[in-house]
Amino acid sequence: AQSVTQLDSQVPVFEEAPVELRCNYSSSVSVYLFWYVQYPNQGLQLLLKYLSGSTLVKGINGFEAEFNKSQTSFHLRKPSVHISDTAEYFCAAGGYGGSQGNLIFGKGTKLSVKP
Amino acid sequence: DAGVTQSPTHLIKTRGQQVTLRCSPKSGHDTVSWYQQALGQGPQFIFQYYEEEERQRGNFPDRFSGHQFPNYSSELNVNALLLGDSALYLCASSFGGSPYNEQFFGPGTRLTVL
Repeated sequence: AQSVTQLDSQVPVFEEAPVELRCNYSSSVSVYLFWYVQYPNQGLQLLLKYLSGSTLVKGINGFEAEFNKSQTSFHLRKPSVHISDTAEYFCAAGGYGGSQGNLIFGKGTKLSVKP
Repeated sequence: DAGVTQSPTHLIKTRGQQVTLRCSPKSGHDTVSWYQQALGQGPQFIFQYYEEEERQRGNFPDRFSGHQFPNYSSELNVNALLLGDSALYLCASSFGGSPYNEQFFGPGTRLTVL
């Protein structure tokens, strides 16, 4: 079965430090990959997506992710985090087996940025 | 332009009851997907509606059903509620249902089953 694994459930980091949130997916076919952010009591907001082409994807709020097919990974990075980046981050995959729109999500990583 | 809206925001039900959750998609969108997010988990796909028909379904029992109206709004119905149905229910809208097109999520309805 297809799955998305987020390797860290919680990541504490100090303000202005770099951060990497890790995501691995299982697939033997092409997939589309996404990172979403969820602030408390809110829905999900798309940070960035990989559909095809360049393996380095830039998103909103200074985040970027690199698609690595050989390692089936799609790690999210930011060179310098802010307090406002404190939120839960979800990696998701879509397009399995020709599916139209359903997304398979990881369990999430809670990023906590401390002053 | 209003984004995706969901109602109600919170709901408390008892086991065995039935519940209906509502979703209005973002303007210009014709596809609605529903997800269940249990506490501490990522969202799980329930089903997707396009052109008033269920186009795709996740691994959820028949107690979960839905409907899409001509104006593209949608309802999620859950019958015979179980304690395990307690979760945040998210609605997402998109255009055409293609994974190329971004899904916009609403704030969710938090359902508590006692």
